[in-house]
Amino acid sequence: AQKVTQAQTEISVVEKEDVTLDCVYETRDTTYYLFWYKQPPSGELVFLIRRNSFDEQNEISGRYSWNFQKSTSSFNFTITASQVVDSAVYFCALSDRPSIQGAQKLVFGQGTRLTINP
Amino acid sequence: AAGVIQSPRHLIKEKRETATLKCYPIPRHDTVYWYQQGPGQDPQFLISFYEKMQSDKGSIPDRFSAQQFSDYHSELNMSSLELGDSALYFCATAGQRMNTEAFFGQGTRLTVV
Repeated sequence: AQKVTQAQTEISVVEKEDVTLDCVYETRDTTYYLFWYKQPPSGELVFLIRRNSFDEQNEISGRYSWNFQKSTSSFNFTITASQVVDSAVYFCALSDRPSIQGAQKLVFGQGTRLTINP
Repeated sequence: AAGVIQSPRHLIKEKRETATLKCYPIPRHDTVYWYQQGPGQDPQFLISFYEKMQSDKGSIPDRFSAQQFSDYHSELNMSSLELGDSALYFCATAGQRMNTEAFFGQGTRLTVV
């Protein structure tokens, strides 16, 4: 069965600090996708990144970066120079590779509530 | 760019009433997923459709049903509502043939009183 664990329930840092959100996953599949979503107080789920299991290259997008380590089944997310607007709940998620035969659901972690204090 | 549209955004119902939530996908998206997110919880998968056929089923109560129509929009029908059904309901759509990720709508917040 698939499982995603975000051990950090809540994190609070001061603005401009760097912060890393941990994500550990379990799956028997050799092909899968990993995701990060942001859920601000307004409630919507904002897509941040999708990573294919065959692509272990780390990715950077502005102040955001992701570290995918297949050997430890981890897909961690780092925000550099955090800002108050980064305050939100962040979800890591896992799905099988989508196929033409059918849709593949997302399995979410429990979420990490990140608070950036001014 | 067009996004996933969910309606209504907010809904208040009494116990034992019925509710219908609607989801309009991004153009050319052929797959719809429904999720339920209780207070302080992560989203839980309910059901999905691909090309108007049910493709997967999660923890959806028997009181709930859903379908995807010929124009690819989807509706989640909920009957005999219970207090525990109060949650944020998300619809997400994806283009399976295009291998896109799932994009979420803004959600419908259902409150059962």
